[in-house]
Amino acid sequence: QQKVQQSPESLSVPEGGMASLNCTSSDRNFQYFWWYRQHSGEGPKALMSIFSDGDKKEGRFTAHLNKASLHVSLHIRDSQPSDSALYFCAASEHTGGLSGKLTFGEGTQVTVIS
Amino acid sequence: NAGVIQTPRHKVTGKGQEATLWCEPISGHSAVFWYRQTIVQGLEFLTYFRNQAPIDDSGMPKERFSAQMPNQSHSTLKIQSTQPQDSAVYLCASSPGQNSDYTFGSGTRLLVI
Repeated sequence: QQKVQQSPESLSVPEGGMASLNCTSSDRNFQYFWWYRQHSGEGPKALMSIFSDGDKKEGRFTAHLNKASLHVSLHIRDSQPSDSALYFCAASEHTGGLSGKLTFGEGTQVTVIS
Repeated sequence: NAGVIQTPRHKVTGKGQEATLWCEPISGHSAVFWYRQTIVQGLEFLTYFRNQAPIDDSGMPKERFSAQMPNQSHSTLKIQSTQPQDSAVYLCASSPGQNSDYTFGSGTRLLVI
């Protein structure tokens, strides 16, 4: 079973609209979560990280983490055509301050329709 | 800062040939990761190094895949006797430490024919 599961698989949103992506982990060892975005032909780029319960806002992007349910969400408001991309949720375990591997979800393809 | 540099961007090999992929991490980043991306399997972890030492290779197909990091400025992923199922985008990433964003390269698209 995939340790990090994302929904939906794909999402279409009108330009200027709100996109909501979800991610659930089945592994309670995961402590740190990221959202990555990948445009076609490029590597994934870190969008934002969230490590504590609650909301974190960066510009048009808001992430929410609930560690009890291991659920992470990403909301994109005022969606722009440049937001069309593949979005990944990623998680890592606590490794004592040292870098550890990231486990990625399957991805959500977001298409912003003009 | 040129970011993580991966070469070549594209590689075509015949079945049974060897492929070597190169990665130059961001200077000062202590950890280097290799991932493989396909439509079917998504982003799969292969292996990683921390301060050049191999830490976890649990995602590596054991028999034909190997990775090395001979110095802090580059890492290589070698695939021997390539098979069509090895066709994928191979991504390298580096990170300065825990809780820091991982920076990915643009990847090497490997096609085995």
